[in-house]
Amino acid sequence: GNSVTQMEGPVTLSEEAFLTINCTYTATGYPSLFWYVQYPGEGLQLLLKATKADDKGSNKGFEATYRKETTSFHLEKGSVQVSDSAVYFCALTGGGATNKLIFGTGTLLAVQP
Amino acid sequence: KAGVTQTPRYLIKTRGQQVTLSCSPISGHRSVSWYQQTPGQGLQFLFEYFSETQRNKGNFPGRFSGRQFSNSRSEMNVSTLELGDSALYLCASSLGHGGGDTEAFFGQGTRLTVV
Repeated sequence: GNSVTQMEGPVTLSEEAFLTINCTYTATGYPSLFWYVQYPGEGLQLLLKATKADDKGSNKGFEATYRKETTSFHLEKGSVQVSDSAVYFCALTGGGATNKLIFGTGTLLAVQP
Repeated sequence: KAGVTQTPRYLIKTRGQQVTLSCSPISGHRSVSWYQQTPGQGLQFLFEYFSETQRNKGNFPGRFSGRQFSNSRSEMNVSTLELGDSALYLCASSLGHGGGDTEAFFGQGTRLTVV
């Protein structure tokens, strides 16, 4: 079945450091790929998405490119801020008439000033 | 516009009891999905409702059930609570077309503690 494998955390960075969180997936067909972010005490917010191969999703300085050849959707940001501290989830939907999301295990990012 | 509203925010129940959680989706959204979030299992899909019909179901025992009303509001029910049901329950609403091209908006969740 479909699944998402995500880099283990926690990831601790200093402010203005470069961020990469790895995400790979297994899916039949052509899934859509997402990054969600969860701040403490909150629900999930969509950070970015890509719906087909080679698409690049971007938002708030974060980027991720849908790589079908490596089945990956790594999250990157050139310069992190303390306010980026949160848990990041990679997710996919398998297509068809459903909005069901399959999530990775989440990566806790802690950015220190 | 108003976001996804989940009530209550916090619940404490005793083993063996049952509980009902409520989710009001964004106006105009017809799809509501429920997820269970725990430290050990992460985020797991419970079920999805679209136009009052269950469209998809995760791998949970029959003690977990849900429904959707004509105004798209949804409820989920857990009967005969077990300690392992302690979790954050998240509701997500979408326009409902499916296929991953629509954004899912999440509520803040209901934190259920079973003692």
